Amino acid sequence: DSGVTQTPKHLITATGQRVTLRCSPRSGDLSVYWYQQSLDQGLQFLIQYYNGEERAKGNILERFSAQQFPDLHSELNLSSLELGDSALYFCASSVEGGNQPQHFGDGTRLSIL
Amino acid sequence: GESVGLHLPTLSVQEGDNSIINCAYSNSASDYFIWYKQESGKGPQFIIDIRSNMDKRQGQRVTVLLNKTVKHLSLQIAATQPGDSAVYFCAENIGNTDKLIFGTGTRLQVFP
Repeated sequence: DSGVTQTPKHLITATGQRVTLRCSPRSGDLSVYWYQQSLDQGLQFLIQYYNGEERAKGNILERFSAQQFPDLHSELNLSSLELGDSALYFCASSVEGGNQPQHFGDGTRLSIL
Repeated sequence: GESVGLHLPTLSVQEGDNSIINCAYSNSASDYFIWYKQESGKGPQFIIDIRSNMDKRQGQRVTVLLNKTVKHLSLQIAATQPGDSAVYFCAENIGNTDKLIFGTGTRLQVFP
């Protein structure tokens, strides 16, 4: 158990809809990262928050947004969903940032019908 | 559980043998590297890391070797066990940017 908790485990929704994925980092970790894992693209970094502030951005679509709350949990919002958004979405956390291990949750599997 | 990539390179080893999983990284400015293990239906699990000022680091039954000259990373698993069966990913962090760049992964299959 990595100590990172993600909910829900599974989400099934339709195109055009909006969903929110939730992540609770390990106790004491200030950085939260979001990744997308699809069969054809592997693990792709989306965005990082550190202590409530956005710190690094990857190839995150404009339809996607995230935030980190004062209690350090984070939410990833996906809107105007398309079939291609079907993937596993992982959250990871680390104590700070930079050259430190990131510890991953078990992901949310998003299926768009 | 989901298969992570249908066309991953696969390494098949016999239980008890040593395994070597290789990874070529992309950026000469990368200064931090991590190996992860991902089992079906789970998130990547941290195995071991190494910084660019080192060329070898050992953990419990695992060793990571870093060759910066040819931008190559390897993970050695001693006395491979059935529980080691998983997909293994290397990841690099370029210049303390906080975002990990993951390789495509290698599937390790351990047979009795």
